[in-house]
Amino acid sequence: QVKLLQSGAALVKPGASVKMSCKASGYTFTDYWVSWVKQSHGKSLEWIGEIYPNSGATNFNEKFKGKATLTVDKSTSTAYMELSRLTSEDSAIYYCTRRRGSGYYVMDAWGQGASVTVSS
Amino acid sequence: DIQMTQSPSFLSASVGDRVTINCKASQNINKYLNWYQQKLGEAPKRLIYNTNNLQTGIPSRFSGSGSGTDYTLTISSLQPEDFATYFCLQHNSFPYTFGAGTKLELK
Repeated sequence: QVKLLQSGAALVKPGASVKMSCKASGYTFTDYWVSWVKQSHGKSLEWIGEIYPNSGATNFNEKFKGKATLTVDKSTSTAYMELSRLTSEDSAIYYCTRRRGSGYYVMDAWGQGASVTVSS
Repeated sequence: DIQMTQSPSFLSASVGDRVTINCKASQNINKYLNWYQQKLGEAPKRLIYNTNNLQTGIPSRFSGSGSGTDYTLTISSLQPEDFATYFCLQHNSFPYTFGAGTKLELK
């Protein structure tokens, strides 16, 4: 079955960067965009952006340009998101999810989430 | 960006009740609207895609409707496992945007 397995929780210092992973299985990794979604504590969800593994093409929420960098490793079916210049506002749970087209396969499967805490 | 205004923010109901949750988009989203359920400590789970299509494995007591800017999630007869937070998502245009959520609580 489709699985998106994310890396574990991270505690990072302000000003540092963090890189998290999302390993896909159960489907053809290169056929689906991988999206990243932020959920701040007790708040709603924000779409950060997405990457197409086959080409490396990306679409971004303007709010996260310069903050998030999306990459993939097709050989291991893994997507990565790096967040830079971290502040307390970046403390959140980050989810990866997938998309193909605009119908059934839009954010149908999600990773379990990765918690990032920014603290000195 | 398309703003998604979700209401109510909180909803108190009993087992067996029929409830509705609404999302209003700031512009036409052409029925590209999904509904998700999220329980504490878990990832969102998709219930409905493209306004009214039930996700495989989701009980038929969940249904969706709407068009243009106005969309509704209906739970026909609440079950104990339905008490959770619900979000809508528009995927008509970038950036994709979510509603603020509706927390459904047991009365």
